[in-house]
Amino acid sequence: DAGITQSPRHKVTETGTPVTLRCHQTENHRYMYWYRQDPGHGLRLIHYSYGVKDTDKGEVSDGYSVSRSKTEDFLLTLESATSSQTSVYFCAISESLGVETQYFGPGTRLLVL
Amino acid sequence: QKEVEQNSGPLSVPEGAIASLNCTYSDRVSQSFFWYRQYSGKSPELIMSIYSNGDKEDGRFTAQLNKASQYVSLLIRDSQPSDSATYLCAVNRNTNAGKSTFGDGTTLTVKP
Repeated sequence: DAGITQSPRHKVTETGTPVTLRCHQTENHRYMYWYRQDPGHGLRLIHYSYGVKDTDKGEVSDGYSVSRSKTEDFLLTLESATSSQTSVYFCAISESLGVETQYFGPGTRLLVL
Repeated sequence: QKEVEQNSGPLSVPEGAIASLNCTYSDRVSQSFFWYRQYSGKSPELIMSIYSNGDKEDGRFTAQLNKASQYVSLLIRDSQPSDSATYLCAVNRNTNAGKSTFGDGTTLTVKP
């Protein structure tokens, strides 16, 4: 299994509070991604990173920000959580362009009350 | 139109039968194609990748790609109850930070 961990694995929070999810990899892969998965919507890309301090938006980035200060860590922040952000969040990594296979972390279940 | 479309299912087949999962994509410059399996409550895991037109076989799994028709499929022979899962199709342009676009998935149930 690819060395990817996510923390926390489960979180319950209240509307309006900031939340940070962490993805940590031990594979030294260049690319990292944050997805959310909701019933009926499959995997939707939130943000991605193509190197340290290099990030860009995905298709559902509103209300989310990311940071990558080290190769191994990619943080996703919900600036002010809303109930619509209740979801399962997956982090994924891939090695390089030309090797596009993505390996996924175990996921974080977030409930915003 | 979604960039990647899959039959929503659910698809149900008896044990031992062939399960056929289909995926169409709209971006003609897509170069890499993947099938991921996702068990309920788990994360997706890669089961097949295909890059060239034709068939690619790996054990009981066969991926088929037809770039002219923008169509990729996954056949599972001798289906087992352990194959019951959601199957996600993903396509990639091999550019732009390696972003893949995923379909919504097809849920397969193999009945003993």
